[in-house]
Amino acid sequence: EVVLTQSPASLSVSPGDGASLSCRASQSVASNLAWYQQRPGQAPRLLIYAASTRATGVPARFSGGGSGTEFTLTISSLQADDFAIYYCQQYSRWPPLTFGGGTKVEIK
Amino acid sequence: EVQLLESGGGLVQPGGSLRLSCAASGFTFSNHAITWVRQAPGKGLDWVSGISGSGQIPYYADSVKGRFNISRDNSKNIVYLEMNSLRPEDTAVYHCAKDRGYCSGTSCYAVRYFDHWGQGILVTVSS
Repeated sequence: EVVLTQSPASLSVSPGDGASLSCRASQSVASNLAWYQQRPGQAPRLLIYAASTRATGVPARFSGGGSGTEFTLTISSLQADDFAIYYCQQYSRWPPLTFGGGTKVEIK
Repeated sequence: EVQLLESGGGLVQPGGSLRLSCAASGFTFSNHAITWVRQAPGKGLDWVSGISGSGQIPYYADSVKGRFNISRDNSKNIVYLEMNSLRPEDTAVYHCAKDRGYCSGTSCYAVRYFDHWGQGILVTVSS
């Protein structure tokens, strides 16, 4: 099973600042990695797939990078509704599909 | 508009059973795999089970294999998750989600990431 480790577990950011979130895989998943955003009380929302491709309707301030075992989600100039929990998910070696533990982005 | 609506959750005693339903609309249902992902209270996302668009190929996490059964009725646009021998650790909000997938010619392919999710339904296993 591929274990995904996200860091940091939480991050305090001021509105307008940028944030960089990390996802590390226990073995290579090539570029088969997705990122999701989950706001409180809501379902997850697909942001990024194939490590760096934005899903439909996702603002350009969200960008993904990396391959193999190291991945990054970067949010430039955080807006109010970007404060949420972010999860990575690998779909390279399955079953099982696996998710990281999440990074909570909070308002500073 | 794509919509996924879960139902069938509730409180059940350990060892009991429940059947969850995921009713879908707004897309060609049989072209897309559907998955179930759960989220224990205050915890992260945990993949449970998935099923191909045709319904012929099911997948399960080891934690539920032998206890849960996934199926679909493409005439009704519904996916079911039959949960048996429930344990307290199965307590969670259960989301169904649509595989982004694509079709080429007469064949459709799953991609294993999910572009639409239901709001989820709470399953509580407790005595």
